[in-house]
Parts: sequence; C-alpha cells; structure tokens
Amino acid sequence: EAQVTQNPRYLITVTGKKLTVTCSQNMNHEYMSWYRQDPGLGLRQIYYSMNVEVTDKGDVPEGYKVSRKEKRNFPLILESPSPNQTSLYFCASSTTSGRDTQYFGPGTRLTVL
Amino acid sequence: DAKTTQPTSMDCAEGRAANLPCNHSTISGNEYVYWYRQIHSQGPQYIIHGLKNNETNEMASLIITEDRKSSTLILPHATLRDTAVYYCIVRSWGGSNYKLTFGKGTLLTVNP
Repeated sequence: EAQVTQNPRYLITVTGKKLTVTCSQNMNHEYMSWYRQDPGLGLRQIYYSMNVEVTDKGDVPEGYKVSRKEKRNFPLILESPSPNQTSLYFCASSTTSGRDTQYFGPGTRLTVL
Repeated sequence: DAKTTQPTSMDCAEGRAANLPCNHSTISGNEYVYWYRQIHSQGPQYIIHGLKNNETNEMASLIITEDRKSSTLILPHATLRDTAVYYCIVRSWGGSNYKLTFGKGTLLTVNP
C-alpha cells in the first residue's frame, strides 16, 4: 500500500532535549516536505526536498533541521526544542512530474514542556 | 499563488449532494485548482484537481466556471465519513517548490 509513515505519532518532551521525527515514503517520490499545523494559522511549510541531498527552507524553518540521505526518508530534527514548537507536524511526498498529487503522513503531535 | 475564499462552514444531510464553493478571482492562466480535505487532525487527503475543464473521479466532481474565477467541489452522496475541513488551493504546476498553501477551508458537517 502506498503510504507516508511518521514516527512517533505522539511525543511529549522537555525544552532543549534533541529529538527527531522520522518520515518515510514507499512510493519512490522525489519531493518531500514538512508542514506544521497550529490553530488559527493553518498548515505552514517548514522545509522541503526536491531529491536526495537537495533541501531548502520553507516558510518557518527556524529551529528545525532536515536531511535527505536516502530517497525514502526525510527526518525532521529539533536540536533544542522550545514550547513554541508544540504543534501537529505532517510530512508529505509527491513525484516531480505528472500530477504531483501530494500524499500526507498521519501526523505527529509534539508537545514541548 | 492566487488567493482563495471559502465559506467557513456548511452542513449537508447524509445521502445528499454536498456542494462546496470556492472563489479564486485572481487565478492566472497556468494555475490549477486543487481540493484536499482533512478529517479531524489526520493528514490532508487529495481529492481532485483541474485547470479549466470539469473533472470527475471516484471521490468527487469539480466544476470550474468558464472564467475560472470560481469552482465547486461536489460530493455526490455525502456520508458521515465525509465530515471534514475541505481546502481549495490554487497553485501553478511544477516550479521549484511544490508547497501547498492551505487557507482556513470549509468545515463540512454531514448530518444523519
């Protein structure tokens, strides 16, 4: 089954404790992206990647890092999480040709205390 | 990408057609209309997209006006599982970032 998976689905952590949210897709998609969703602000793009080793900032990249060493994986790294990064995070992927419909993961709900 | 305007909320009776409008009066010639939905904090789900012709798939139909300034998403026989926030998104094909700009969307509530 074609899907985007994220882990963990729920995470409660404390300020300053480094964490990684993993994202993996099994559709051989070139494009992957991270969004965060906050009440009243909608979904905002954090980082995106057009292919392996090619990443770029989205609209709200501060406090986040990403890497794209393999085509299927696009982890989101929070080096020193802060309470304002408490949010619902979504990973998405698509091809870079044809219809480029984006497939979204199930979401990771992060709480930083 | 062009801005879109959608009603904040709509109700629909189960089994009836749900017609969700979207205004995109500043759409340009190379921009497509996409519809996604989000069911209660799950990941957004693609529904349909179109450029200028009406489109239909197994989930819905998309009607785009001739001047392309507005469109309507039609769910022909709404079920309770169709209760969700529906997003109308306008963006051009391709480019260097496939970012989707989600607005506030329309909360569709399907009632029994």
